[in-house]
Amino acid sequence: QQQVKQSPQSLIVQKGGISIINCAYENTAFDYFPWYQQFPGKGPALLIAIRPDVSEKKEGRFTISFNKSAKQFSLHIMDSQPGDSATYFCAAISTGAGSYQLTFGKGTKLSVIP
Amino acid sequence: DARVTQTPRHKVTEMGQEVTMRCQPILGHNTVFWYRQTMMQGLELLAYFRNRAPLDDSGMPKDRFSAEMPDATLATLKIQPSEPRDSAVYFCASGLVGGLDEQYFGPGTRLTVT
Repeated sequence: QQQVKQSPQSLIVQKGGISIINCAYENTAFDYFPWYQQFPGKGPALLIAIRPDVSEKKEGRFTISFNKSAKQFSLHIMDSQPGDSATYFCAAISTGAGSYQLTFGKGTKLSVIP
Repeated sequence: DARVTQTPRHKVTEMGQEVTMRCQPILGHNTVFWYRQTMMQGLELLAYFRNRAPLDDSGMPKDRFSAEMPDATLATLKIQPSEPRDSAVYFCASGLVGGLDEQYFGPGTRLTVT
């Protein structure tokens, strides 16, 4: 059962454009939603994260938009640069009742072309 | 520059052999996670430790996989016997407190079972 659906699988964006990656989740117990960036041969690195009590979080060129009622969240990369070319993963985490549940999306391979 | 270290970085072994992967979390971190990454399944959480105690290993095939933390500076993931379907990149990550806010990933161990 895939609890976090991520789209698109791959994305090609022109330099300077906006990259948008979407994720949808099913479990309403999730209470933390991080995005990770992974370069080839490296481990994922936390990029930005949001909790469901806010609808948007911005850090530099990266913005998370969160829609709790629709159970969707998205990553926007403004002014995309070739150095942003990487695979991006969304994740959803729940820590309720002393347990820990984490599910990653399948990933989006972003290519920013000059 | 504190970082998670993993050894070995690459491992090629024959089916049926025992494989041990090691992880040194960042000093002071009290949570350790083991992940497996494949093209087909993406990133999967295998096990989660807090203060060296295993809190969740439901993502791990119990019959052949085992995870331990002999001390605060070492986490191990063992596969015995290994199978070709275990071929993947195995990541260790460490974090603080509940491990929610930031998980620092290691560079991974690329395992190939022939």
